[in-house]
Amino acid sequence: QSVLTQPPSASGSPGQSVTISCTGTSSDVGNYNYVSWYQQHPGQAPKLIIYDVSKRPSGVPARFSGSKSANTASLTVSGLQAEDEADYYCNSYAGSNNVVFGGGTKLTVL
Amino acid sequence: QVQLVQSGVEVKNPGASVQVSCKASGYVFTSYDITWVRQAPGQGLEWMGRVNPYNHNTDYAQNLQGRVTMTTDASTRTAYMELRLLTSDDTAVYYCAREPTLDTAPLHYFDYWGQGTLVTVSS
Repeated sequence: QSVLTQPPSASGSPGQSVTISCTGTSSDVGNYNYVSWYQQHPGQAPKLIIYDVSKRPSGVPARFSGSKSANTASLTVSGLQAEDEADYYCNSYAGSNNVVFGGGTKLTVL
Repeated sequence: QVQLVQSGVEVKNPGASVQVSCKASGYVFTSYDITWVRQAPGQGLEWMGRVNPYNHNTDYAQNLQGRVTMTTDASTRTAYMELRLLTSDDTAVYYCAREPTLDTAPLHYFDYWGQGTLVTVSS
């Protein structure tokens, strides 16, 4: 059982926006601004798309954005494209130099 | 360019140990932590722990304490993860990833990943 809760699935049509939630507690998401998001296509390694709640690494499209409110972090993908279809995982610092992942969300582009 | 290249597929019997290696290139090896993450078939990501190649400090996930050891060799720019007393629950793809640091303190995100190593535990 994952410590961070994500919806198992999400979907949207091309061009639309979709938001994926990541709910933790006051011991992890709610207490630190160390939330990151990873995109994983089938058979591939995860790829960092958001770190420190809302920062984008170089090369990640601006269509990907992150935010946080209380114990819940969110990833928004705007202007959905076919290549955005993938699994998405959130991650948060949980104190004592430990980090925890969410269970993952499968994003389908309709 | 930054690259992390992992060792190949492993098949182990229950009770055995496995060592996975991760060879880094394209950056200053001792300036970043190496984190290990595993993914069981069809499942999500699980953080296993990290090692700092500069001071060799380690942090391990509580559920793996006592069974896992993470080390580095700066002369070969290689990180190693050893997992002992394997069971079928340890069957997974094991990833190494680079974790930025600030004054040797981890920053808790993973910006480059290895290709993964499949470890199968079966009798």
